[in-house]
Amino acid sequence: GAVVSQHPSRVICKSGTSVKIECRSLDFQATTMFWYRQFPKQSLMLMATSNEGSKATYEQGVEKDKFLINHASLTLSTLTVTSAHPEDSSFYICSAGLGRGYTQYFGPGTRLTVL
Amino acid sequence: RKEVEQDPGPFNVPEGATVAFNCTYSNSASQSFFWYRQDCRKEPKLLMSVYSSGNEDGRFTAQLNRASQYISLLIRDSKLSDSATYLCVVSYGSSNTGKLIFGQGTTLQVKP
Repeated sequence: GAVVSQHPSRVICKSGTSVKIECRSLDFQATTMFWYRQFPKQSLMLMATSNEGSKATYEQGVEKDKFLINHASLTLSTLTVTSAHPEDSSFYICSAGLGRGYTQYFGPGTRLTVL
Repeated sequence: RKEVEQDPGPFNVPEGATVAFNCTYSNSASQSFFWYRQDCRKEPKLLMSVYSSGNEDGRFTAQLNRASQYISLLIRDSKLSDSATYLCVVSYGSSNTGKLIFGQGTTLQVKP
């Protein structure tokens, strides 16, 4: 199957700092990338949908000014958690779509811990 | 009401047992249906898509009942390696959005 990478896999930071997470599709061009968040013992919740070259579409309740998404190319999307706080500690997972249809391939996730 | 509901379990079964998971979804416009598997602290991985006619992949059988908005997954002859959380997932909207809605997952623990 298609390969999606995320970097970093784990990050620990102090409250108030910003953290950037990269999501790359390694062997295909992803027209759409998705960002999810998963809190312990909960399911994945879609945060935003990102299309290359356009603004991301955020889900209700997700602050676009706090979670900045950039999708500059067909193989790279970034999520920046600005001024992170302990409640932002979570497992952030991206996925990349192969185009029309619903096939999505997930990255390995980034575990963010904000102290 | 959650859009996708699952019994969280955990289901504790012995090796070789048959186990069934159920899932209901609330949006009748849902168009695609999947079961994903998620191991602890890992990303979800697609187990199988679910079709109205029902489909089977080895020991795994998935069924969809659109009228009842109900999806099931049956695992036969369970193995220790089947221990994981199984996520029921639905998708709707235009074919370009591919927005996935995840259930909270059902945890399976297969014991020797």
